[in-house]
Amino acid sequence: QKEVEQNSGPLSVPEGAIASLNCTYSDRGSQSFFWYRQYSGKSPELIMSIYSNGDKEDGRFTAQLNKASQYVSLLIRDSQPSDSATYLCAVISGYSTLTFGKGTMLLVSP
Amino acid sequence: GAVVSQHPSRVICKSGTSVKIECRSLDFQATTMFWYRQFPKQSLMLMATSNEGSKATYEQGVEKDKFLINHASLTLSTLTVTSAHPEDSSFYICSARNPSGREETQYFGPGTRLLVL
Repeated sequence: QKEVEQNSGPLSVPEGAIASLNCTYSDRGSQSFFWYRQYSGKSPELIMSIYSNGDKEDGRFTAQLNKASQYVSLLIRDSQPSDSATYLCAVISGYSTLTFGKGTMLLVSP
Repeated sequence: GAVVSQHPSRVICKSGTSVKIECRSLDFQATTMFWYRQFPKQSLMLMATSNEGSKATYEQGVEKDKFLINHASLTLSTLTVTSAHPEDSSFYICSARNPSGREETQYFGPGTRLLVL
């Protein structure tokens, strides 16, 4: 059973702070990793993808991957209230189907 | 990012009726589309993988005779919930894989909220 684990939260951070979201996965053969943002009542929106160990930066977002530890994280710098949403970690292994974590709710207070 | 649409965005129906949901990739041809279901405060659960021109592949526990999937063209997949019951009420979301980008990247439609009375 392939599993993707996330802390459900909520993770509360003040505006302007760095939000750190974490995810672990069970399938060591996983090759592709994604972070999606989902606002309440809406469908997921792709934020970042990462495929190799290390950091990948895109604007205020940085994804970090450590395959040895089976760990992937998302850092959001200068957090804004509009970043308040549920962040879903998703992993692909094997037959290219996405396995989602349950998501971490992020609350950014003004 | 790629654009995927769904129709309808919301549907309310009586128990026993069938409901068809359309998923379209608007700016690319998608040989593979995926159908997910999300219950309140739960994560997305993959229901089936829809392949253009062939039968869909259903996940374990998903009844293929109840959730009919047709992927007749490279831009359209449909999900029909047959003989819907209140427990089928959920948020149904499709996604499409954009073959021009990294093969694994999926883009989601806006979702269809189904309420069965």
